[in-house]
Amino acid sequence: GQSLEQPSEVTAVEGAIVQINCTYQTSGFYGLSWYQQHDGGAPTFLSYNALDGLEETGRFSSFLSRSDSYGYLLLQELQMKDSASYFCAVRGNTGGFKTIFGAGTRLFVKA
Amino acid sequence: KAGVTQTPRYLIKTRGQQVTLSCSPISGHRSVSWYQQTPGQGLQFLFEYFSETQRNKGNFPGRFSGRQFSNSRSEMNVSTLELGDSALYLCASSGDRDRVTDTQYFGPGTRLTVL
Repeated sequence: GQSLEQPSEVTAVEGAIVQINCTYQTSGFYGLSWYQQHDGGAPTFLSYNALDGLEETGRFSSFLSRSDSYGYLLLQELQMKDSASYFCAVRGNTGGFKTIFGAGTRLFVKA
Repeated sequence: KAGVTQTPRYLIKTRGQQVTLSCSPISGHRSVSWYQQTPGQGLQFLFEYFSETQRNKGNFPGRFSGRQFSNSRSEMNVSTLELGDSALYLCASSGDRDRVTDTQYFGPGTRLTVL
């Protein structure tokens, strides 16, 4: 089936750089997405990688290696407001074309 | 453009009852997906609808069902509620162009508590 693994928690200090890793297993891989969710809020889309390499959007970058079934989200110049949960999600075709989310990584940014 | 709306926002039910949750997607979006979110479990995929047809289903028992109407609004129903059904139920919509980047727009969710 489809599955994803990501760390449950990461802590970093304001201004630093943090990397959140995600490994996945799926058939018929289409792409890897990242979502941010603040406490009490709805998940919001951050980035999507369908091909190998790095995608940059402001302070956030996302990387994908299809051969390693691995990706990461890189957050630079961390701000307190970046404290949130981050979910990787894989779009694949295992038992049907669908998007499956990981359990999420809780990021704590300290002053 | 208005975002995804879900009603009700909060719901308390007792075991054995049934519940219907509603989702109105962003105008023009034909795809609606439903997820169950519980602490530590992430978002568990329930089902996806496109133009009134269920396109995919997750690994949930038959007590969970859904449908989509011609205006793309969607409902999900849970019958014979169990304590373990207590969760945040999220609805997400996407437009035809969003499929290229698998972008989903989530609603605020319905918090269901089963007593």
